[in-house]
Amino acid sequence: NAGVTQTPKFQVLKTGQSMTLQCAQDMNHEYMSWYRQDPGMGLRLIHYSVGAGITDQGEVPNGYNVSRSTTEDFPLRLLSAAPSQTSVYFCASSPLRSPYTEAFFGQGTRLTVV
Amino acid sequence: AQSVTQLDSHVSVSEGTPVLLRCNYSSSYSPSLFWYVQHPNKGLQLLLKYTSAATLVKGINGFEAEFKKSETSFHLTKPSAHMSDAAEYFCVVPAMDSSYKLIFGSGTRLLVRP
Repeated sequence: NAGVTQTPKFQVLKTGQSMTLQCAQDMNHEYMSWYRQDPGMGLRLIHYSVGAGITDQGEVPNGYNVSRSTTEDFPLRLLSAAPSQTSVYFCASSPLRSPYTEAFFGQGTRLTVV
Repeated sequence: AQSVTQLDSHVSVSEGTPVLLRCNYSSSYSPSLFWYVQHPNKGLQLLLKYTSAATLVKGINGFEAEFKKSETSFHLTKPSAHMSDAAEYFCVVPAMDSSYKLIFGSGTRLLVRP
């Protein structure tokens, strides 16, 4: 049981390039989300999905797109990378959209935009 | 809106001495609270969660936390620190909106001296 798998682990982009961060989970969880982690700020929600075909914005969505075509996969797309998007990105999944259910996190993708 | 405040950005203890990581939450209604741990260059792992069943919550690796409504606190403790406890710890509360996103404190880095 792999849990939540993120690829790549590290990435360097030039300003203006686009890329997709991959996230897959094998726990059949309905709820998936993307967070970014910046020093001294904890984690902040970018986008989330409550099931296949349903996505919504979090608190810092600008510059990012998501889609959810299957229960397992929830990719995050950077349309035109900017230095402000240099961060560590975490994908998470939960069995339910509920305040009582913990999230399971991937290992993270460390992105540097130069 | 819910929020959590972690009162110390860094805590340093000697191996074998007690650990206290402090967290205060803002809302008068918090159905749950979580503590997560992040070891260097790793993802986040759930330490423990409070979901109203009991005010004293035991987690993994000997950690526990006590929910104190009168003080709006949810401090994390461990009787005796190990070198392997060196990590960053996050106090987390779910947002009480349709996203149920996780709201993270800014984190406390625990250093354990030999």
